[in-house]
Amino acid sequence: DADVTQTPRNRITKTGKRIMLECSQTKGHDRMYWYRQDPGLGLRLIYYSFDVKDINKGEISDGYSVSRQAQAKFSLSLESAIPNQTALYFCATSDGRLATNTGELFFGEGSRLTVL
Amino acid sequence: AQSVTQLDSQVPVFEEAPVELRCNYSSSVSVYLFWYVQYPNQGLQLLLKYLSGSTLVKGINGFEAEFNKSQTSFHLRKPSVHISDTAEYFCAVTTPLGQNFVFGPGTRLSVLP
Repeated sequence: DADVTQTPRNRITKTGKRIMLECSQTKGHDRMYWYRQDPGLGLRLIYYSFDVKDINKGEISDGYSVSRQAQAKFSLSLESAIPNQTALYFCATSDGRLATNTGELFFGEGSRLTVL
Repeated sequence: AQSVTQLDSQVPVFEEAPVELRCNYSSSVSVYLFWYVQYPNQGLQLLLKYLSGSTLVKGINGFEAEFNKSQTSFHLRKPSVHISDTAEYFCAVTTPLGQNFVFGPGTRLSVLP
């Protein structure tokens, strides 16, 4: 089983619909992230969370919200989806403890969202 | 703040030829550097990383990268590529506290038979 699991893997929806992408991890990491990938733009950070009570906006948070339900779960919501939110979304985790922190991100397989 | 530049968006190369994928970064503080690979329809996986110490870093699948502080570069190299190396490659930088992980736009490597 994957250490970082994203659901759904693929989703097609219509403009104005609410969408939730879920991420769960079994790595025991404290830090979790949501990224968006668009061709030619690399990965851009949407939101990140360094522990259950910590939520931070990233580079492109407008139109998105997140919830950290537990250390292992971090969900991304689009309250009212629009076509330019069509993209590949990645959840990632990292270990923030000083003794073991190598900065490395561990990624899920991605969730492809299409907004019509 | 950190930033990453990958000068080549696409690199076509013939099988068994050498390849270099270029990465330059800017930062006012010390950084950790990474190369990730994304195979078609998959997530990103770590190829190699530089945290400190030796500037030549070896990774998986025969790839290596050299950290050059004076040129603020972290170019990725492989002496002989294989068809299976066809993928997108991302250079990334973060501070040691991991508070700002920044990716470059990616380089698509196409290995031709």
